Amino acid sequence: QVQMVQSGAEVKRPGASVRVSCKSSGFGFTSYYFHWVRQAPGQGLEWMGWIDPHSGGTNYGLRFQGRVAMTTDSSLRTVYMELTNLTSDDTAVYFCARDVIVASPNALYLWGQGTLVTVSS
Amino acid sequence: DIQMTQSPSSLSASVGDTVTITCRASQYINTNLNWYQQSPGQAPKFLIFFATGLQIGVPSRFSGSGSGTDFTLTITSLQPEDFATYYCQQSFSVPWTFGRGTKVEIK
Repeated sequence: QVQMVQSGAEVKRPGASVRVSCKSSGFGFTSYYFHWVRQAPGQGLEWMGWIDPHSGGTNYGLRFQGRVAMTTDSSLRTVYMELTNLTSDDTAVYFCARDVIVASPNALYLWGQGTLVTVSS
Repeated sequence: DIQMTQSPSSLSASVGDTVTITCRASQYINTNLNWYQQSPGQAPKFLIFFATGLQIGVPSRFSGSGSGTDFTLTITSLQPEDFATYYCQQSFSVPWTFGRGTKVEIK
C-alpha cells in the first residue's frame, strides 16, 4: 500500500528540539523527493524544505536554515525532520509529503497524516 | 520570496454550483502552479499540477487554467465533499510558497 505514516504527537519546552519521522511504503524510496510542510493552528500551509534521498541533498526555506535538518534512512524507508531551538511559534502540525514526479521536485503528491508538535512551558 | 495571492478568502455556494478560485503570483512562475484541497483535520490532498494537469483519481469537475502569474481553479457541479479549503502553491522557485487558502462553505 502506497502511504506515508508519521510519528505521534510531541510536547516540547521552549528551546528544545523535536524530531518527526515519516515511514513510507509501496514505492521506490530513493526515487522521489520528500518535503516537509507545517500548519500552525488555524493557519495556512508553510513549506519548510525538501530532501533527495538518492543524493542526500537538501534545500531548506531561508527562515528555517540553521534550525532544521532533514535526513533519511533508506534501510527503514523513513524520512526525518529535526527542528531545534523551538519557540511557541513552532507549535503546528507538521506534514511530510512525497513528490509527484521521479527524481525532481515539482508538487506534493502523497501526504502523511500529520504530527502535532506543541511547544509550551 | 514569491507571494501567492488567492481570492476570495472564502465563498458560500450550493451543491450543483460552479465556483472559481483565483491565484496570482507576485512574479512569473510559468505553469509551476499546483492546487490542493484540505478538509478540516485532514492532510491536504493533491488535485492539480503544472496549472492544468488533473491528478489521477481527482474528479473531472475540477479543472485548472492559467500561466505566467494568473491562475484559476474551477469546480463545476459542486458536490457535498467539495466543501473544504483550497490552496495554490508555486514550485517555480525556492522557497515554495502557498496562497493563504480559499474556504468553500455551504450556503
